[in-house]
Amino acid sequence: KQEVTQIPAALSVPEGENLVLNCSFTDSAIYNLQWFRQDPGKGLTSLLLIQSSQREQTSGRLNASLDKSSGRSTLYIAASQPGDSATYLCAVAGDTDKLIFGTGTRLQVFP
Amino acid sequence: ETGVTQSPTHLIKTRGQQVTLRCSSQSGHNTVSWYQQALGQGPQFIFQYYREEENGRGNFPPRFSGLQFPNYSSELNVNALELDDSALYLCASRPSRGAIYEQYFGPGTRLTVT
Repeated sequence: KQEVTQIPAALSVPEGENLVLNCSFTDSAIYNLQWFRQDPGKGLTSLLLIQSSQREQTSGRLNASLDKSSGRSTLYIAASQPGDSATYLCAVAGDTDKLIFGTGTRLQVFP
Repeated sequence: ETGVTQSPTHLIKTRGQQVTLRCSSQSGHNTVSWYQQALGQGPQFIFQYYREEENGRGNFPPRFSGLQFPNYSSELNVNALELDDSALYLCASRPSRGAIYEQYFGPGTRLTVT
């Protein structure tokens, strides 16, 4: 059974810091991994999708890497801003179409 | 291009009642999934519909049921509501069945059961 874990559960940093959020999964047989952002009480915004054949994806200040063999992904946020404050969720997709989510990392960036 | 929309935004129901939540998929998407997100948790997969048929189900009881219509919009029905059904319900659509396709989520419906 696939399980997804995210560390740390919460993070509070001053503006400008570079951040690393971690995601680990127990079954390496995945099709892809997706990182989402969720603002309080809101839906999910897709940030990056990494297919199983890829090693990383980049979008602006965000970079996500995937190491399927070790069951790990990291989301790197460069030069963090207060507007980055949100919960970040990672999810993996296996052969059953459904996404399996971690419990998220709650990020607060203060001025 | 219109994204995924959900209605209502939030609602309050009493234990034992029934509720229907609605989702309009993104244009061109024929596959819709529903997820339940309890407070402080990651979303949990309820079920998926592909071309009007259920195509995968998570660990939810039969009182959770759904429909998909010819225009690929979808409904989630929950009967005999329980207090633990209080959650954010998320709908996601994708261009077709298959894990390779990215999922696009709607804003969610917040359900409170009292």
